Amino acid sequence: SQTIHQWPATLVQPVGSPLSLECTVEGTSNPNLYWYRQAAGRGLQLLFYSVGIGQISSEVPQNLSASRPQDRQFILSSKKLLLSDSGFYLCAWSNQGEQYFGPGTRLTVT
Amino acid sequence: AQSVTQPDIHITVSEGASLELRCNYSYGATPYLFWYVQSPGQGLQLLLKYFSGDTLVQGIKGFEAEFKRSQSSFNLRKPSVHWSDAAEYFCAVGPGGSQGNLIFGKGTKLSVKP
Repeated sequence: SQTIHQWPATLVQPVGSPLSLECTVEGTSNPNLYWYRQAAGRGLQLLFYSVGIGQISSEVPQNLSASRPQDRQFILSSKKLLLSDSGFYLCAWSNQGEQYFGPGTRLTVT
Repeated sequence: AQSVTQPDIHITVSEGASLELRCNYSYGATPYLFWYVQSPGQGLQLLLKYFSGDTLVQGIKGFEAEFKRSQSSFNLRKPSVHWSDAAEYFCAVGPGGSQGNLIFGKGTKLSVKP
């Protein structure tokens, strides 16, 4: 069966520090991968998606970037965090329409 | 424009009462429809999906949803709510297959009174 992991589960970082969130998927090959953000009281905002290694599409211009160095690994990064980057970050995968989500990373920028 | 509307931001029901969460969509092609549930601090879990065929679909945890093309709706129902159903519920629409992204509604938060 397929599983999706996100690391770390929680993170507290100061403004201006770098960020790296990791997402890995097991049990499937060549999935589409997605990064979403949920801010408090708001819905899901799609940040990036990838249909293959090295292929990244950005949905919202912002302080973040994404990379897909391996088929089942998706990384969300920032060189300098802003207060507005705080939120709950969710990774998801799909290959036949429906998406399956990871447990999320709670990021607090102080 | 493609969109998903969940008109109710917050609903409170008594335990044992029936539940209906509304979802309306605007989508140019034949929609693939989904309901997800999110407990606090956790990821989203797929409750059910509609691709084609019978317009009444059954999902996990005793939930069902009915696709009504004429009303562009995909409402989620449960005949008897349990306290553990308290969570946030998201409706989503997409093109299906391996391409295309899902469009999510803003969610409905469900509270359950004892």
